[in-house]
This record gives sequence, C-alpha cells and structure tokens, in this order.
Amino acid sequence: AQSVTQLDSHVSVSEGTPVLLRCNYSSSYSPSLFWYVQHPNKGLQLLLKYTSAATLVKGINGFEAEFKKSETSFHLTKPSAHMSDAAEYFCVVSAGTGGYNKLIFGAGTRLAVHP
Amino acid sequence: ETGVTQTPRHLVMGMTNKKSLKCEQHLGHNAMYWYKQSAKKPLELMFVYSLEERVENNSVPSRFSPECPNSSHLFLHLHTLQPEDSALYLCASSQEWGAGSPLHFGNGTRLTVT
Repeated sequence: AQSVTQLDSHVSVSEGTPVLLRCNYSSSYSPSLFWYVQHPNKGLQLLLKYTSAATLVKGINGFEAEFKKSETSFHLTKPSAHMSDAAEYFCVVSAGTGGYNKLIFGAGTRLAVHP
Repeated sequence: ETGVTQTPRHLVMGMTNKKSLKCEQHLGHNAMYWYKQSAKKPLELMFVYSLEERVENNSVPSRFSPECPNSSHLFLHLHTLQPEDSALYLCASSQEWGAGSPLHFGNGTRLTVT
C-alpha cells in the first residue's frame, strides 16, 4: 500500500532564510512523487515531480526536492524564502495501480514567512 | 491563469436544495477528477472520469452525482446534502490516465451547507 507522511504541520521561517519541508513515503512500487502548493482561496499548483529520472528534481519558483530511496524521503527545499512562498504545501505519491491516476495526498504543511 | 475553470466559486445551500458544480478544462486532457478538501483532512478523491467514462467512485454517498458529458466538462450534482458536506470541492484534469501524470487543479468551489 502507498502512503505519505508530512512530518511538520506548520513551518515558520524568516524571509531570505532556507526552507525545508519534510516528506516520507511508503510505496510497494517504484513511486511517482509530487509536491503541490496551495495559496489561500486557490486550487493546488504543481511545484515539481519525480518519476524515476534524476533524483534531484528542480521545480518552479526556486524549489527543488531530492528523492532518497534509502530513506524513503522526498523533502522540499528552497535556498531563500520569499514572502510569496507563504502557502500550504502537499507531498503526493502516485499509487500506480489499477491503471488510473490515484494520488495519495499528505496532510499538508503550512509555511509561514516572516519579514 | 489556470486551465481548469470551476463555477461557482462560492455556494451556500440548504439541506433540501439541489445545485450543481461545474468544471471546464481547456487543456485537452483525457481525465477529470473531483476532490473534496475539508479542514484538517487530506484531500479526498471522489470521482474519476477517463474519456467520459467513470472509472472511480470512491465510496461517495449517492447525494453526490457526477456527470461528464464530454472530455472538457465535468459536473457534480448535489441534493439533500448534510452540514458535514461543507468543504472546498476541487476539480482537476490530467493528460494521461495513469500513474505519474500530474494533475491540474481549478480554484475550487467553497460549499456551505446550512
């Protein structure tokens, strides 16, 4: 069975400091992994995806994530936070079974960025 | 600008009302989805359509009735809802019907059941 755990429900950083949002996954198959972001009153937007190519994945807005199979982790990072990064972030694993695109969403991490 | 458009953005309805949510995708995708997002809960998949055929009904109560008349449009018909059905309802689409295909979401409909 597939599952995903976001280790922090809230993260608070100062503008200009690094961001680390942690995600661990469990999958019986070679997983596809995603990070999505949701700004207030908006839908979810894809930040980046991992699909068994390079283990370091670069996304939009300066975010990147590293797939570590030995640690079953897919943490999201950004070198320098911007005020506009304040949002909720979701780590997602693709179940990869049944022929359809069933995604398992984490509970989300709310990122606050302070001046 | 999102390629997935949902209307209305906000909806307040009584428990005896009938209403419909509409979703339209302009991306040429083959699969469409309804998700429910409640406070303090992970996103819940409700329905999946691929090429206008329903391929997933995730144990959703019958008071929610989806309709997919073509690959660009998806509806969610609502009747006799309960207050616990109040949530953000998100529509999404994807290019491929299979694992690894990312979803494109609309901005959602905020539903309040009184």
